[in-house]
Amino acid sequence: AQSVTQLGSHVSVSEGALVLLRCNYSSSVPPYLFWYVQYPNQGLQLLLKYTTGATLVKGINGFEAEFKKSETSFHLTKPSAHMSDAAEYFCAVSTNYGQNFVFGPGTRLSVLP
Amino acid sequence: DTAVSQTPKYLVTQMGNDKSIKCEQNLGHDTMYWYKQDSKKFLKIMFSYNNKELIINETVPNRFSPKSPDKAHLNLHINSLELGDSAVYFCASRFRDRNTEAFFGQGTRLTVV
Repeated sequence: AQSVTQLGSHVSVSEGALVLLRCNYSSSVPPYLFWYVQYPNQGLQLLLKYTTGATLVKGINGFEAEFKKSETSFHLTKPSAHMSDAAEYFCAVSTNYGQNFVFGPGTRLSVLP
Repeated sequence: DTAVSQTPKYLVTQMGNDKSIKCEQNLGHDTMYWYKQDSKKFLKIMFSYNNKELIINETVPNRFSPKSPDKAHLNLHINSLELGDSAVYFCASRFRDRNTEAFFGQGTRLTVV
């Protein structure tokens, strides 16, 4: 079975500062990893995903994440936060032929002016 | 054209009532899910269907019954609604065997009074 932890239920950064949202996973088989964003009163939108190949993946809105197998991590970063980045961010894990699509508890990102 | 659509978007009902939420996807996906998002934003998988067959049935009260008439639809029926059922319910779909992300509907905000 797979599971996901996200360190920090709430992260605050200043506008223009680096955004770092942490995600660690547990999986007995090679994982497929995803980051989603949820804006208030909306559904979930995919930011980026790692399935195979390059371990540094780029997504929408300037976000990127790096898969580190040795650390079982898939942290999300953005060099410079924008006010519009304020939202809830979820990391998710699945596996090849896996039925399960499991989410972490989420991290709320606040961006301060 | 909406990829994953849920109806209704809002549902306010009294305790003890029975209600249904409908979900349709036009992406040709073979797997569909129901998730419950509580007030702390935690996304908990409830059910998962693959080609109309129930694959995942997490610990959910028997009052919740999913129905998949075909691969494109997964409805959720809830009997004898309780206050604790108040939440946002999300439908999602994906190709299980292609390592793809899940696509989400906009959610149904259920309020039991």
